[in-house]
Amino acid sequence: NAGVTQTPKFQVLKTGQSMTLQCAQDMNHNSMYWYRQDPGMGLRLIYYSASEGTTDKGEVPNGYNVSRLNKREFSLRLESAAPSQTSVYFCASGGYQETQYFGPGTRLLVL
Amino acid sequence: DQQVKQNSPSLSVQEGRISILNCDYTNSMFDYFLWYKKYPAEGPTFLISISSIKDKNEDGRFTVFLNKSAKHLSLHIVPSQPGDSAVYFCAAHNAGNNRKLIWGLGTSLAVNP
Repeated sequence: NAGVTQTPKFQVLKTGQSMTLQCAQDMNHNSMYWYRQDPGMGLRLIYYSASEGTTDKGEVPNGYNVSRLNKREFSLRLESAAPSQTSVYFCASGGYQETQYFGPGTRLLVL
Repeated sequence: DQQVKQNSPSLSVQEGRISILNCDYTNSMFDYFLWYKKYPAEGPTFLISISSIKDKNEDGRFTVFLNKSAKHLSLHIVPSQPGDSAVYFCAAHNAGNNRKLIWGLGTSLAVNP
């Protein structure tokens, strides 16, 4: 039982490159989330998926797209990376009483 | 406008003493509150939660108190241990908010041996 897994762990991109961050959960949760964490900014919600087949914007969706591939997987795509997207990205899935369980994070540096 | 506020960015306590982390909120529609702990280079981990119909929830060394009239909750850690040194996030859920959590900015706790 791995919980929430994220790949890759680290990534360096050049401005304008694209990439997809992968997330999978094995807890049979309906809801999944993508956050970014920047120094002094706490956790900011990028996109979420309340159930398979639905996605909605969070606080900071600009520059990102998501796909809820199936109940287990929720991916985050940067189509044209910018230095402002340098951050740590966390995926989470939601369980009982809205408790969210987080993956280990992806550290992204955009040069 | 921040609906969940953790006004102390950092806190330092001695090992064995009590740590008290505070959280204030503005939205009276919040129905569930959670505390998470985060170590560097790791994802946040769920610590303890409390429903708005309760005023206290205890789990081992961790107790969360909720004062609805003051819109205030606190996390007590007794006794504090060096391994408790981490960033603690307070989060709140609004029943009408489609399963999203509202997060505070975190308090960095240092427990000194």
